[in-house]
Amino acid sequence: AQSVTQLDSQVPVFEEAPVELRCNYSSSVSVYLFWYVQYPNQGLQLLLKYLSGSTLVESINGFEAEFNKSQTSFHLRKPSVHISDTAEYFCAVSRGNFNKFYFGSGTKLNVKP
Amino acid sequence: EAGVAQSPRYKIIEKRQSVAFWCNPISGHATLYWYQQILGQGPKLLIQFQNNGVVDDSQLPKDRFSAERLKGVDSTLKIQPAKLEDSAVYLCASSPSDSYEQYFGPGTRLTVT
Repeated sequence: AQSVTQLDSQVPVFEEAPVELRCNYSSSVSVYLFWYVQYPNQGLQLLLKYLSGSTLVESINGFEAEFNKSQTSFHLRKPSVHISDTAEYFCAVSRGNFNKFYFGSGTKLNVKP
Repeated sequence: EAGVAQSPRYKIIEKRQSVAFWCNPISGHATLYWYQQILGQGPKLLIQFQNNGVVDDSQLPKDRFSAERLKGVDSTLKIQPAKLEDSAVYLCASSPSDSYEQYFGPGTRLTVT
């Protein structure tokens, strides 16, 4: 089975500071990678995904993630965070065929003014 | 477009009782997922349907959990009998065929006492 590791359970950061949320996965085969976000009192929603092609993927709200096959990582970054980015972020992987999804334990990003 | 609907939103039962959760996916979405999210952990896939057929139920505790998706639309997840460790949020998600983007419902929070 796959495993997805999010080492940081909580990340406090000040507004306008950069942030990196780490995600590592275990797999010897190709995977598809995702970041989901859960804002307070809302359901999970897809933030960005890597399926193929460019290893750097971006979201519409300024987040980006880079697929690093050699390090089996898919870290999420934002150069300048806003208060509204306060949420829990989940990394997920799939081995393909649109099934076998595995989620990490989540990282709570707390942006302080 | 209406989102994924789940009911009830909250449920408290005693151990050894039975409980059922209902999910209505987004109209036209062929794939439906049930996840279990224990406090402090990421979602764990319990079962995945494609239309009314099961794609993956490898992590479903089949001695007590069952799920069905009659007619390939809405779905019911049942626990019988419940244990204390079943206390969790049960999430339903749906996606179009051949898509990795899952749309999550608000979840049902189950407390087993």
